[in-house]
Amino acid sequence: QITLKESGPMLVKPTQTLTLTCTVSGFSLNTGGVGVGWIRQPPGKALEWLALVYYDDEKRYRPSLKNRLQITKDTARNQVVLTMTNMDPVDTATYSCAHTNGDGYFDLWGRGTLVTVSS
Amino acid sequence: SYVLTQPPSVSVVPGQTARITCGGNDIGSYLVHWYQQQPGQAPVLVVYENRYRPSGTPERFSGSNSGTTATLTISRVEAGDEADYFCQVWDSGRDHVVFGGGTKLTVL
Repeated sequence: QITLKESGPMLVKPTQTLTLTCTVSGFSLNTGGVGVGWIRQPPGKALEWLALVYYDDEKRYRPSLKNRLQITKDTARNQVVLTMTNMDPVDTATYSCAHTNGDGYFDLWGRGTLVTVSS
Repeated sequence: SYVLTQPPSVSVVPGQTARITCGGNDIGSYLVHWYQQQPGQAPVLVVYENRYRPSGTPERFSGSNSGTTATLTISRVEAGDEADYFCQVWDSGRDHVVFGGGTKLTVL
């Protein structure tokens, strides 16, 4: 059974760096084709894809946020970490990680974690 | 960047058919995926690659894609289908994921 669980701070201050961890189980981050992505959703708004890391460590980023994002994976710990620098109140959102088999869609999602940016 | 356009809301009477559209430039040449998000819940994939259903998705859900519009069709709508629905594609030209703005389905 594949599961993904997000963890990280619920509250960050403007200009701080956000670090979120996605801990996965039921699959290996080394399995061919597999990827884990991060998607966020501001309250009452649409889904917004942020980043994706594949089994071979290839990475993709949302172009408009590329300069602020970094995604890494730790296969031994079954974790994918997203960092976002220079946080702003407009970055307040539920941040979710999701699994892909490399076919262009996310077949399983974590429950997400709400991050509020406020001083 | 590539843009997917969805109507903000669709309303339907129980037992009728709901059609949720997703518009995009030459979207027919893309593979479109659909997610259902119940209030307070994580999104769930309901249709992938235009028309395929993951195990667990009722047969009442179907998808199509041609020209400039992809459509998620829900037949014999039930109260439990009330949710937000998002379309998504992989923009291979720019190598990234694109989501539509979402459609709130209301079952009257």
